[in-house]
Amino acid sequence: GAVVSQHPSWVICKSGTSVKIECRSLDFQATTMFWYRQFPKQSLMLMATSNEGSKATYEQGVEKDKFLINHASLTLSTLTVTSAHPEDSSFYICSGGAVEDTQYFGPGTRLTVL
Amino acid sequence: GENVEQHPSTLSVQEGDSAVIKCTYSDSASNYFPWYKQELGKRPQLIIDIRSNVGEKKDQRIAVTLNKTAKHFSLHITETQPEDSAVYFCAASIAGGFKTIFGAGTRLFVKA
Repeated sequence: GAVVSQHPSWVICKSGTSVKIECRSLDFQATTMFWYRQFPKQSLMLMATSNEGSKATYEQGVEKDKFLINHASLTLSTLTVTSAHPEDSSFYICSGGAVEDTQYFGPGTRLTVL
Repeated sequence: GENVEQHPSTLSVQEGDSAVIKCTYSDSASNYFPWYKQELGKRPQLIIDIRSNVGEKKDQRIAVTLNKTAKHFSLHITETQPEDSAVYFCAASIAGGFKTIFGAGTRLFVKA
């Protein structure tokens, strides 16, 4: 299957700082990538759809000014959590499509905000 | 928008028994239904998928059925093994790279 990487795999930051998470498609081009958040023992909640060369589409309830998404190339999308707070601590996962409609997930980034 | 419901939330079976997980979806436009397995702390891995033009699909011990009329789809795992223990998510999307909506997940325990 297609390979999606994420960096960093984990990050600990202080409250009020910003954190950038990168999502890369390594062997395919992704015009669209998706960002999810997963709290412990819960499902994957879609946060936004990242569109290459245009603005991201955010799901209801997700603050676009807090979760900045940039999709500058066909292989890279970034999620920046601005002014992070402890309640933003979560597992953030991106996905991209390569073959037909199958979504391939990155390994995830565990964010802990102190 | 699409809403996917998944049951049960927890399922415990004896090794060798079968496990069935059921999902329903709300958007009749959805036509692609993947199933993912997620082990603790790891990314979801696609285990099987089905499209709306097919009623059933099987891959070794795993099978998926789809009832478009009722908007139901199910995952069947036969001859379960301890390594099948994980969280399983159903999902629904519209073909063409549209967003995927996930069910709440089923935590499967297979007892040796």
